[in-house]
Amino acid sequence: DAGVIQSPRHEVTEMGQEVTLRCKPISGHNSLFWYRQTMMRGLELLIYFNNNVPIDDSGMPEDRFSAKMPNASFSTLKIQPSEPRDSAVYFCASSQTLEPYNEQFFGPGTRLTVL
Amino acid sequence: AQSVAQPEDQVNVAEGNPLTVKCTYSVSGNPYLFWYVQYPNRGLQFLLKYITGDNLVKGSYGFEAEFNKSQTSFHLKKPSALVSDSALYFCAVRENSNYQLIWGAGTKLIIKP
Repeated sequence: DAGVIQSPRHEVTEMGQEVTLRCKPISGHNSLFWYRQTMMRGLELLIYFNNNVPIDDSGMPEDRFSAKMPNASFSTLKIQPSEPRDSAVYFCASSQTLEPYNEQFFGPGTRLTVL
Repeated sequence: AQSVAQPEDQVNVAEGNPLTVKCTYSVSGNPYLFWYVQYPNRGLQFLLKYITGDNLVKGSYGFEAEFNKSQTSFHLKKPSALVSDSALYFCAVRENSNYQLIWGAGTKLIIKP
């Protein structure tokens, strides 16, 4: 089992540019979560999907952020335009279902730096 | 409202000594409790969880946690610490009726040789 795969692992971009982060969940997992981690704010849930459908995007900070899950094996988180305050580590996680007893499995993260 | 507290930002333990990382929670229904570990520049790794049943839960790498309903606590423990246990530890809680995990702020565990 390859685990949750995220790409790129590191991204450095300039303010105003579009950034796309990618995630491949564990095969057979029906739920996918996008998190952001910073020193100041800790771990924040941005959005989560179940069976490719967004369930709750209330954590998405602004309209500049959008996420899609076109199929069960791929999701993207897009920031357009990017700003320096978006600099953070972005994690994707998946779980078998949304049932509350299921643990989440995290990818290695994408470290985003916006200059 | 659900909440999780990890009262210690950092815990220092000598190698070979027992360790405890504290976690308290607040939910209105039955809790599902989780511990995760994060090594530097890595994603979070699941350690163990409490769903129901035995209050003492055993997990990966020799860790265990004790669920205490009266004290609303779920402290992480290990009988003998290793230097390699040094990492950031997160406690998380979910209510039976809620899909969202509520995360603690994390506790940095430092094991000194």
